[in-house]
Amino acid sequence: KAGVTQTPRYLIKTRGQQVTLSCSPISGHRSVSWYQQTPGQGLQFLFEYFSETQRNKGNFPGRFSGRQFSNSRSEMNVSTLELGDSALYLCASRSGRDSGNTIYFGEGSWLTVV
Amino acid sequence: GNSVTQMEGPVTLSEEAFLTINCTYTATGYPSLFWYVQYPGEGLQLLLKATKADDKGSNKGFEATYRKETTSFHLEKGSVQVSDSAVYFCALNSGGSNYKLTFGKGTLLTVNP
Repeated sequence: KAGVTQTPRYLIKTRGQQVTLSCSPISGHRSVSWYQQTPGQGLQFLFEYFSETQRNKGNFPGRFSGRQFSNSRSEMNVSTLELGDSALYLCASRSGRDSGNTIYFGEGSWLTVV
Repeated sequence: GNSVTQMEGPVTLSEEAFLTINCTYTATGYPSLFWYVQYPGEGLQLLLKATKADDKGSNKGFEATYRKETTSFHLEKGSVQVSDSAVYFCALNSGGSNYKLTFGKGTLLTVNP
């Protein structure tokens, strides 16, 4: 069974540009969430989608957005990139039926803003 | 709100030494508790979990017991190997409709031969 797949794995963008990251959850999982990991702030929750609806959102500016498609695949977008957006962006999926609420992570997308 | 506090390290041990990484939490309700591991350049892997008080999670020789009375979930391993070198994150999920993980800051473990 394939795990959570994220693309691209590495990318470099210029300040002011926008970026879209993609995530394919584990087959059968309906929930997808996104986290940002930086050396200074650690791991921070961005948002969660379940059945194409955003159910929860972290404390990030409106430049960070996401969506989920009917096949549960998800994308997140960051507009008007800032140097501080350089981070590892992790996608995670959950079945929605696991009573332990276990969340499984992908390998991440490394974003560098220059 | 929810929070997780773990020893930040770095922790440096010799192979076959005993490992303890402390983790305490603050949460409403009855959270599920997790340990994740991150190897260099990789994403997070679930190491073990516990969903209720007194549960013991275990995997690959690592163990942690959910202690509600002390709000702790300390990670232990009796004999570490060089391949255990990684960053370890303690996390909680308060459950209900709020499916998000709150993480500690991570503990870097280096095991020397």
